[in-house]
Amino acid sequence: GDSVTQMEGPVTLSEEAFLTINCTYTATGYPSLFWYVQYPGEGLQLLLKATKADDKGSNKGFEATYRKETTSFHLEKGSVQVSDSAVYFCALSDGAGSQGNLIFGKGTKLSVKP
Amino acid sequence: DAGITQSPRHKVTETGTPVTLRCHQTENHRYMYWYRQDPGHGLRLIHYSYGVKDTDKGEVSDGYSVSRSKTEDFLLTLESATSSQTSVYFCAISDRGDEFETQYFGPGTRLLVL
Repeated sequence: GDSVTQMEGPVTLSEEAFLTINCTYTATGYPSLFWYVQYPGEGLQLLLKATKADDKGSNKGFEATYRKETTSFHLEKGSVQVSDSAVYFCALSDGAGSQGNLIFGKGTKLSVKP
Repeated sequence: DAGITQSPRHKVTETGTPVTLRCHQTENHRYMYWYRQDPGHGLRLIHYSYGVKDTDKGEVSDGYSVSRSKTEDFLLTLESATSSQTSVYFCAISDRGDEFETQYFGPGTRLLVL
């Protein structure tokens, strides 16, 4: 079945450091790919998404490119801030009657130190 | 922010007790989902609904039942709670339920089964 694998955390960075969180997927169809973020004590919210190969999603300085050839959707940010400390989830939604159901990776906790 | 509320936000109960969690939306979205979040597992789909009285099972549905008698409310019931159901439960909604669409999440319910 479909699955998402993302790098284990926690990840600890200093402010203004470069961030990469790796995400790879396995899917039978042509899924849409998402990054959700969960701030402490809150629910998940969409960070960015890409719905077809070579699409780049971007938001709040974060970017991720849908790479079909490597089945990846790595999250990057050039300069992280303390306020980016959160748990990041990579997810996919496959077509073919999936009813929009999301399959999530296990999450990567990011801590940014001043 | 999408209008999604969950109640209760926190609950402590004993093994064998029935528990009902409520998700309420004000967006008139057709699709509603229940997920559980556990360390090392990310989020996993329990049940979802694609309309009033229309529901289906997700990946981890054993021990859970759902009901949707109105568009705005989606109830999750643990008929006889077990310690393995200690978790954080999130409700989500979407309008079309297709693979391109963003899901919007509620704030979560933290459940402890003693």
